[in-house]
Amino acid sequence: GAGVSQSPSNKVTEKGKDVELRCDPISGHTALYWYRQSLGQGLEFLIYFQGNSAPDKSGLPSDRFSAERTGGSVSTLTIQRTQQEDSAVYLCASSERQGAFGNIQYFGAGTRLSVL
Amino acid sequence: AQTVTQSQPEMSVQEAETVTLSCTYDTSESNYYLFWYKQPPSRQMILVIRQEAYKQQNATENRFSVNFQKAAKSFSLKISDSQLGDTAMYFCALVDNDMRFGAGTRLTVKP
Repeated sequence: GAGVSQSPSNKVTEKGKDVELRCDPISGHTALYWYRQSLGQGLEFLIYFQGNSAPDKSGLPSDRFSAERTGGSVSTLTIQRTQQEDSAVYLCASSERQGAFGNIQYFGAGTRLSVL
Repeated sequence: AQTVTQSQPEMSVQEAETVTLSCTYDTSESNYYLFWYKQPPSRQMILVIRQEAYKQQNATENRFSVNFQKAAKSFSLKISDSQLGDTAMYFCALVDNDMRFGAGTRLTVKP
């Protein structure tokens, strides 16, 4: 696609429910990133994928968070047993490859998650 | 360890004037990239400008330019002839093998 697409754009859920957030990167981009942005804060790195593998999962805040990527394209971020502190905007980005050089990340518009 | 610090949580500027947003960083790497991203109310993060650490010349992109001071680990963004559409959050970011963002500066351009 022309840009990074995320769905849904907004998600309201009840505490304790599971949610799935979807990211469709720019076609041909091998690297994909997930970030969390709490209200008024900067971006908190969660996880990145190079192809289908996730060499760096260090940013996932708890074992309730998981992510997968299939076919080197679409990725889903799953949050199990959601808590109110999970409320945030979840941003996805993709780049041609991971690494220092040429690593320009292109972002989607994010999913705003609200846990009631 | 990498850190990116933006010391100005909020700034404002009159339309058509110039404003400078500050950013300092820390890295042990000699080769790295620095970025400024803009996030308007639409939430879409947009790349404003990129600087390669091995290049001494400051990057420029139309009304946007940077003052890159490698020894001081400083990377400020200057916006000239500010426009109402420049109102947004601005994030400084550092990347070598990881990417780290600053906490952001909220810029308001006043008519």
